[in-house]
Amino acid sequence: KAGVTQTPRYLIKTRGQQVTLSCSPISGHRSVSWYQQTPGQGLQFLFEYFSETQRNKGNFPGRFSGRQFSNSRSEMNVSTLELGDSALYLCASSLDWGAVDEQYFGPGTRLTVT
Amino acid sequence: AQKVTQAQTEISVVEKEDVTLDCVYETRDTTYYLFWYKQPPSGELVFLIRRNSFDEQNEISGRYSWNFQKSTSSFNFTITASQVVDSAVYFCALSEEQAAGGGADGLTFGKGTHLIIQP
Repeated sequence: KAGVTQTPRYLIKTRGQQVTLSCSPISGHRSVSWYQQTPGQGLQFLFEYFSETQRNKGNFPGRFSGRQFSNSRSEMNVSTLELGDSALYLCASSLDWGAVDEQYFGPGTRLTVT
Repeated sequence: AQKVTQAQTEISVVEKEDVTLDCVYETRDTTYYLFWYKQPPSGELVFLIRRNSFDEQNEISGRYSWNFQKSTSSFNFTITASQVVDSAVYFCALSEEQAAGGGADGLTFGKGTHLIIQP
């Protein structure tokens, strides 16, 4: 069974630009969650999608948004990039929503904002 | 609000030693879930274990064992006879069961413990 895949793996953007990251969950998993990992703040929850609906959202500004498609694939978008958005963005998939099941993580997208 | 504390920032041991990684959590919910994840240098978080708040039985899986104690709000992880391949950052995480009509807030992670196993 294929694991969680994320594209692209690495990205370099300039401050003020926008970026879209993609995540394909494990087959059969309907929940996709996104996390931001930085050396200073650690791993922080961004949002969770289940059946194309956002179920939960962490404490991030509105510049961070996402969506989920009917095949459970998810994208997250960050607009008006700031230097502080440089991070490893991880997505995780699970069978059910609410972070009560095992979440399986992808390899992440490393975003560098210059 | 939920919180996870991993007080050990970095631990370094020699191969074959036993090592325990501490995890202390805070939650007001009676139903919650605890997790451990391993993050090797490649960056991908690897799921190790999930425990619900009603199951305080200790768990052993090969060289790995977990001790869950609700009385002290701790969920510690022990590696017996450590190996170089165990070198990684280990994260403890907590989630609360979604309230009726509401939602949980994803996993709350501790800051992680960087485990270094020297040959």
